Amino acid sequence: AQSVTQLGSHVSVSEGALVLLRCNYSSSVPPYLFWYVQYPNQGLQLLLKYTSAATLVKGINGFEAEFKKSETSFHLTKPSAHMSDAAEYFCAVSYQTGANNLFFGTGTRLTVIP
Amino acid sequence: GAGVSQSPSNKVTEKGKDVELRCDPISGHTALYWYRQSLGQGLEFLIYFQGNSAPDKSGLPSDRFSAERTGGSVSTLTIQRTQQEDSAVYLCASTPASAALNYGYTFGSGTRLTVV
Repeated sequence: AQSVTQLGSHVSVSEGALVLLRCNYSSSVPPYLFWYVQYPNQGLQLLLKYTSAATLVKGINGFEAEFKKSETSFHLTKPSAHMSDAAEYFCAVSYQTGANNLFFGTGTRLTVIP
Repeated sequence: GAGVSQSPSNKVTEKGKDVELRCDPISGHTALYWYRQSLGQGLEFLIYFQGNSAPDKSGLPSDRFSAERTGGSVSTLTIQRTQQEDSAVYLCASTPASAALNYGYTFGSGTRLTVV
């Protein structure tokens, strides 16, 4: 099955600490990968996307993600957490053939501790 | 419009009643998607429109759920005889093309449906 797995439904970090949110995909074809962020009572906002160009992708708000084919991973990182980063983060995958929709992970809620 | 607009933002309905949820996508976006987000779960795909047609309805959970899109623009998701398990946030998204390959989706803020 084609899907994404987000390890850890909740992650807590201290303000200023490294943020690492994990995403692994299962795919038989090269994937297109996305990270979305959802702030409370808002819709999802695109953070960054991988579309087979550079494997290290930089997004908004200082986030970046690296596509590692050997590990089938697309983990999201930020060197220094800010209080405003507290939100829910979703990894999603789309494919070159057939599918017209994104398959989302179950999300990781990030808490930033002052 | 500037973004994807959904209405109402909140809806409380009694079990057994019908509800209509509306999505107004970004002007010119040909593809429109409905997702459901239940508490503690990820996003569940419901239906996809390309123009006014729905090539993929595979995610609709039962025949109580239906959706239409008119004029290649506004879409309505209808839930008949609502049940408590229908309580969720219903999200709409649009893209300028038929596939999300080089685009993310632009999401609306969702409709929070509560069935009591």
